[in-house]
Amino acid sequence: QTVVTQDPSFSVSPGGTVTLTCGLSSGSVSTSYFPSWYQQTPGQAPRTLIYSTNTRSSGVPDRFSGSILGNKAALIITGAQADDESDYYCVLYMGNGIWVFGGGTKLTVL
Amino acid sequence: QVQLVESGGGVVQPGRTLRLSCAASGFTFSGHGMNWVRQAPGKGLEWVAVIWYDGSKKWYADSVKGRFTISRDNSKNTLYLQMNSLRAEDTAVYYCVRLLGWSLDCWGQGTLVTVSS
Repeated sequence: QTVVTQDPSFSVSPGGTVTLTCGLSSGSVSTSYFPSWYQQTPGQAPRTLIYSTNTRSSGVPDRFSGSILGNKAALIITGAQADDESDYYCVLYMGNGIWVFGGGTKLTVL
Repeated sequence: QVQLVESGGGVVQPGRTLRLSCAASGFTFSGHGMNWVRQAPGKGLEWVAVIWYDGSKKWYADSVKGRFTISRDNSKNTLYLQMNSLRAEDTAVYYCVRLLGWSLDCWGQGTLVTVSS
């Protein structure tokens, strides 16, 4: 069973840049996995930030971007703000009608 | 704008059944696949099931296969999740999520299902 991996936690300074990654327990992530990224604050539904690797969802500021870096999908946040402090989840399409979420990264801005 | 409104959650005993609904508006429902994604209290997101835009194909996570059934009524713009043989570990907020290409894009606000005796 392939596991989608994310760092459990990360921190960034206000105004700084942070790269969150999404990998596979076996193999490399490519655009064929259509990686997507979601932001979630406590008690709220997830909000889509990026889909299909690097397409920004409507209304998402351009300081959020997505790409493939090495063998992982990446979410890059530039100019981090206090309200970016959230949980971030990635999901990969594994083929055959199956999607798998990563365990999420808790981002702290301090 | 796109709106997805889930309903049908509640408290149910182990082994019993529950049916969730998701009312869609603001887009051409019959043109999109639809998913259910759940989140147990304090835990991460778990993909549950997907149904193709025309209902012709359905896939499930191993954790619910054989117990849950996803369906849709395009004439009513509504998605369903029939949950049978419920277990304590099915306790979660269930989200209805639109499929855009091969990506999950728009999310509902969720409905809470609690399985407890």
